[in-house]
Amino acid sequence: KQEVTQIPAALSVPEGENLVLNCSFTDSAIYNLQWFRQDPGKGLTSLLLIQSSQREQTSGRLNASLDKSSGRSTLYIAASQPGDSATYLCAVRNYGQNFVFGPGTRLSVLP
Amino acid sequence: EPEVTQTPSHQVTQMGQEVILRCVPISNHLYFYWYRQILGQKVEFLVSFYNNEISEKSEIFDDQFSVERPDGSNFTLKIRSTKLEDSAMYFCASRTASSYEQYFGPGTRLTVT
Repeated sequence: KQEVTQIPAALSVPEGENLVLNCSFTDSAIYNLQWFRQDPGKGLTSLLLIQSSQREQTSGRLNASLDKSSGRSTLYIAASQPGDSATYLCAVRNYGQNFVFGPGTRLSVLP
Repeated sequence: EPEVTQTPSHQVTQMGQEVILRCVPISNHLYFYWYRQILGQKVEFLVSFYNNEISEKSEIFDDQFSVERPDGSNFTLKIRSTKLEDSAMYFCASRTASSYEQYFGPGTRLTVT
C-alpha cells in the first residue's frame, strides 16, 4: 500500500529565500505525482504534475523534480514571497489506483 | 479561467439526515472525483466517476455514499444517513481525458451535529 510522507511538517523562512519541500513515497511504481497548494480553509490549487517518465517540471518560480528509484520528489520555490505562504501537498498515483496524499508541509514566508 | 465550483460552501446537518453535496466540474472534463479531508488530517480519495459510472472507490465509500451525474453539468455526492464522523471538508475534482492533472473545487465543509 502506497504511503506518502512530507518533510518538514512546517517551515518558516524570510522573504526572498529559495527553499525545498520534500515528498517521499514507499512504492516507486508510480504513474504520476502532483503538487498542490492549499490555503487555510480552501480547496487545492494544482501547481505541477510530473508523469513517471519525466524528471522535472517547471512553472514560474516553481520546479518539481522526481526520482522514482529513490521514491522522492522535491518542490523548489525560488525567491519566496509572503504570498507563497500555504500548505503544500504532494499526491502520488500508482498504476490502476487513485491519488494518495501526503500530510503536507505548512510554509510561512515572513516579510 | 474555468474552475470547478461546489455548493454549498458550508452545510450543517443533524446525525441521521441525508445530505447532497453538489459540484459543477469544468465543462470539457470527463473524469470526476470526490475526496474528503477531516480537520487536521490528510486528503483522502473517495470515488472516481467516468462515463456515467463509478470507476473506482475507496474503503471509505460504503453503502451510505452514492454519486450521480444527474445532467450534463452537475456531479453530486449523497450521504444517506450522516454520522458524526462524516464531518469533513469534501472536495470535488475533475480532469480531461488527455491529462491526468486534476483540478479541485473550493470544497464543502460538512458539519454533522
